[in-house]
Amino acid sequence: KAGVTQTPRYLIKTRGQQVTLSCSPISGHRSVSWYQQTPGQGLQFLFEYFSETQRNKGNFPGRFSGRQFSNSRSEMNVSTLELGDSALYLCASSLAGQSSTDTQYFGPGTRLTVL
Amino acid sequence: AQSVAQPEDQVNVAEGNPLTVKCTYSVSGNPYLFWYVQYPNRGLQFLLKYITGDNLVKGSYGFEAEFNKSQTSFHLKKPSALVSDSALYFCAVRRMNQAGTALIFGKGTTLSVSS
Repeated sequence: KAGVTQTPRYLIKTRGQQVTLSCSPISGHRSVSWYQQTPGQGLQFLFEYFSETQRNKGNFPGRFSGRQFSNSRSEMNVSTLELGDSALYLCASSLAGQSSTDTQYFGPGTRLTVL
Repeated sequence: AQSVAQPEDQVNVAEGNPLTVKCTYSVSGNPYLFWYVQYPNRGLQFLLKYITGDNLVKGSYGFEAEFNKSQTSFHLKKPSALVSDSALYFCAVRRMNQAGTALIFGKGTTLSVSS
């Protein structure tokens, strides 16, 4: 079974631009979560989607948004990019999302560099 | 609030020796605990999790972890380290019965295994 895929793998943008990242979960998985990884802050939870609805949201500004489609694929968008948004953005999928025992499986990430 | 502490930024061990990567947690109620490993320029790979039952959990690649409720710890162990185990290791926690699957991660511990 194919793992979590993320596109693009690398992205370079300039301040003020916006960006959209894409994530395809493992087949059959209905929950998708997004995390930001930086050297200073480590891994921080952005938001989680289940059945096209945002279930949880981390402590990030409104510039960060996401959505989930009926096939469980998810996108996240960052508007008005800032230098501090440079990070590895990781997507994770889990089977049902209703049970807190579920394991999250991570994609390879998208490396975003903001110049 | 939930939190995870990994008190060592780096652990150095010689190949063939046992290794331990430490993790302590703080969560209201009962925790679900996870270990992940990250290789350079890759996403996170799931190693093992503690949900309930036996305090000693066995996972992938010969790793195991021991849950200690009184010490609020979940240390990762391996009897005999390999050079290929060199990577960044993350401990994560989720509160039992929380809505959704979001994880709180520790800052990570870099494991370096020398030959």
